[in-house]
Amino acid sequence: EAGVAQSPRYKIIEKRQSVAFWCNPISGHATLYWYQQILGQGPKLLIQFQNNGVVDDSQLPKDRFSAERLKGVDSTLKIQPAKLEDSAVYLCASSLDLDRSSYEQYFGPGTRLTVT
Amino acid sequence: RKEVEQDPGPFNVPEGATVAFNCTYSNSASQSFFWYRQDCRKEPKLLMSVYSSGNEDGRFTAQLNRASQYISLLIRDSKLSDSATYLCVVNLVGSARQLTFGSGTQLTVLP
Repeated sequence: EAGVAQSPRYKIIEKRQSVAFWCNPISGHATLYWYQQILGQGPKLLIQFQNNGVVDDSQLPKDRFSAERLKGVDSTLKIQPAKLEDSAVYLCASSLDLDRSSYEQYFGPGTRLTVT
Repeated sequence: RKEVEQDPGPFNVPEGATVAFNCTYSNSASQSFFWYRQDCRKEPKLLMSVYSSGNEDGRFTAQLNRASQYISLLIRDSKLSDSATYLCVVNLVGSARQLTFGSGTQLTVLP
């Protein structure tokens, strides 16, 4: 079974530039999450989708971050403009439908962003 | 106060040793508990869920103390391949299956 796919794997940009990350979840997984993981910390949830609807985006810095999952499958996360403190690994995860009993989230390999 | 707190370590132990990690959580409404493992520069992966009665999976034993809001992970007979960061993870009641991660405890098993 294919896992969660993310691209690019690495990105280096200058502050104030824009960047976009792409995620394709495991087939059949209705719920998709974007996390930010800063070095030395655990992943922090940015936004959660179920199908193409937003379940929670309370921790997404909406002045500069946006995310969409238009067809309920793959998703993009954008940062515009980037700041130095956005340097982190951006992880995408997916899980089965919210109504299922499993809480297990399957993570992609992440995109390592460096803002200079 | 952080929602989920862990001793960051690092824990450096010899092969064959027994090592224990602890974790505390601040919200008494927390409903479900997990340990995830994250290898260096890799993504987190579920190691095991933590049940009120305690549970064991091979060399790994997880315990939950709801009264003290405390979770533990015990690794017996450590292997070199156990070297990783262990993340304590909590789910709150009514939080739509969102997981809150601790900062992780780094373990290095030495030959």
